[in-house]
Amino acid sequence: DAGVIQSPRHEVTEMGQEVTLRCKPISGHNSLFWYRQTMMRGLELLIYFNNNVPIDDSGMPEDRFSAKMPNASFSTLKIQPSEPRDSAVYFCASSWSRGAANEKLFFGSGTQLSVL
Amino acid sequence: SQQGEEDPQALSIQEGENATMNCSYKTSINNLQWYRQNSGRGLVHLILIRSNEREKHSGRLRVTLDTSKKSSSLLITASRAADTASYFCATDGGNKLVFGAGTILRVKS
Repeated sequence: DAGVIQSPRHEVTEMGQEVTLRCKPISGHNSLFWYRQTMMRGLELLIYFNNNVPIDDSGMPEDRFSAKMPNASFSTLKIQPSEPRDSAVYFCASSWSRGAANEKLFFGSGTQLSVL
Repeated sequence: SQQGEEDPQALSIQEGENATMNCSYKTSINNLQWYRQNSGRGLVHLILIRSNEREKHSGRLRVTLDTSKKSSSLLITASRAADTASYFCATDGGNKLVFGAGTILRVKS
């Protein structure tokens, strides 16, 4: 199995631009998570899906952030418009789990986002 | 807010020595997990220990859990330079997996 695949690996954009991050979870996994990692705040859960349905988006910072999971093999995290404070590493993770925290997560390599 | 807090924040040891990292948490849990993150990479799962377990082993890793003290420890025996990484504990707070700030381990060869 190729593991969780994220793209792009790096993204540099200017303030105000739209950014779309992509994730392909491990085949057969039914839960997908988006995390953000910064030095100041550590790893924060933004949103998680179970069976393609958003279950908890309370970690999404504001309306500029949106996430979709149109099918079991693809998810996107969009930031529109982007701001410098959005600069971080964004991780996607997947698992086979009945809940958000019952089983181990498999992480992708992350997207390093820099908003200038 | 972070559920688990690791201690120490950073640890530097010589190759061959043992490394111990601790994690404390605030609320009741169903399970606690440990992850490793190498620089510039994603997190990799190491061990999951459930609330009714007290100790678990995986190769050179030993994890203990004390639910009465709300704490866990990760012991890496006979450390190697390749163990240099950040180590995170994660707890199921509010049906979410919440990560601590991590311990940075440096193993010198």
